[in-house]
Amino acid sequence: AQTVTQSQPEMSVQEAETVTLSCTYDTSESDYYLFWYKQPPSRQMILVIRQEAYKQQNATENRFSVNFQKAAKSFSLKISDSQLGDAAMYFCVLYGGSQGNLIFGKGTKLSVKP
Amino acid sequence: EPEVTQTPSHQVTQMGQEVILRCVPISNHLYFYWYRQILGQKVEFLVSFYNNEISEKSEIFDDQFSVERPDGSNFTLKIRSTKLEDSAMYFCASSEQGIGTYNEQFFGPGTRLTVL
Repeated sequence: AQTVTQSQPEMSVQEAETVTLSCTYDTSESDYYLFWYKQPPSRQMILVIRQEAYKQQNATENRFSVNFQKAAKSFSLKISDSQLGDAAMYFCVLYGGSQGNLIFGKGTKLSVKP
Repeated sequence: EPEVTQTPSHQVTQMGQEVILRCVPISNHLYFYWYRQILGQKVEFLVSFYNNEISEKSEIFDDQFSVERPDGSNFTLKIRSTKLEDSAMYFCASSEQGIGTYNEQFFGPGTRLTVL
């Protein structure tokens, strides 16, 4: 079975500071993808960043970067220079490849303080 | 920018009633999905749909549920006889490609279903 675990139900960060959201996962697939999706209040989930398991280099998208530790099955998201618009629920998501569906973590609610 | 849309945003129904949740996927997408999130729990996969048939479904997707693409734009989820435990947020998603390939799924804003 494939699982995703987010151990931080809520996190808070000061505007302009850096915050790291944690995620661990488990899969028997050799080829898989990991994603962080962001869900602002009352709006749809949008893809923030993705990581292909076969790539050793950590993905980066502007202020968002990941720390992908394949052996440890860890996939954390770092948000630098946090902005008020970053406040949202963040889901760590696994795509196993052999199936079409996504496996979600429970989410981390991020608050950004001005 | 194209978006997945869902209607209604909130549906309230009585236990035992049938409900139909509607979704309009992104127009050039071929794969469609339904997920649900019970309050305080994880987002869970229900079903995927391609070429007018179900390609995969989870254990949750029992005989009470059905999906349909009645025309070229809509994708619907029907719950035949709702139960209290069907109360959840239901998300529709679509993607250009599906199984076996990189698969960015674009999500709608969700329909909150409340069963009384």
